[in-house]
Amino acid sequence: AQSVTQLDSQVPVFEEAPVELRCNYSSSVSVYLFWYVQYPNQGLQLLLKYLSGSTLVKGINGFEAEFNKSQTSFHLRKPSVHISDTAEYFCAVIQIKAAGNKLTFGGGTRVLVKP
Amino acid sequence: GAGVSQSPSNKVTEKGKDVELRCDPISGHTALYWYRQSLGQGLEFLIYFQGNSAPDKSGLPSDRFSAERTGGSVSTLTIQRTQQEDSAVYLCASSRTSGSIDEQFFGPGTRLTVL
Repeated sequence: AQSVTQLDSQVPVFEEAPVELRCNYSSSVSVYLFWYVQYPNQGLQLLLKYLSGSTLVKGINGFEAEFNKSQTSFHLRKPSVHISDTAEYFCAVIQIKAAGNKLTFGGGTRVLVKP
Repeated sequence: GAGVSQSPSNKVTEKGKDVELRCDPISGHTALYWYRQSLGQGLEFLIYFQGNSAPDKSGLPSDRFSAERTGGSVSTLTIQRTQQEDSAVYLCASSRTSGSIDEQFFGPGTRLTVL
């Protein structure tokens, strides 16, 4: 079984400031890693994913994440946030070669960008 | 093209009633997933369909929950004898195949409230 922990349930941040959302996972097998964003009253949208290769992954809207295997982390960062980045962010994993490819999600981090 | 659609967007029901939630996946997507988003449990996997294979029902919380997918396209999630703890947002997602590298596209969800 695998689990995903997002250490911060809420992160307030001022506009144009940087933000980092922390994600740690535990799994007995290798996993693929994902970050999803959920804007108010909308469904989930994929921000970025790590499958293999370079551990620094760039996604949409200026977000990036770094996979650290030794620390089993996949933290999400953005150097300068906008008001429109106010949303809830979910880290998720899929076990490689597991049947079904179902996503296991963390508890989510609410980002509130203040002017 | 059209994304994943779900209906109804909101459903209020009385405890003990049955409800049906519908999902229309993206045309041509062979894999379909149901997830539930609730305050107490976060985002959790419910059931997965891939083509004509038997569905993976490992995430269904009780035998009151069932789902079917007709003709490999539209899916219906049925909850019998609803309980207050069933109140949640039910999210449907589809992907081109069941490959874990294929992005899961999410619908806007159905918000279920059990009174």
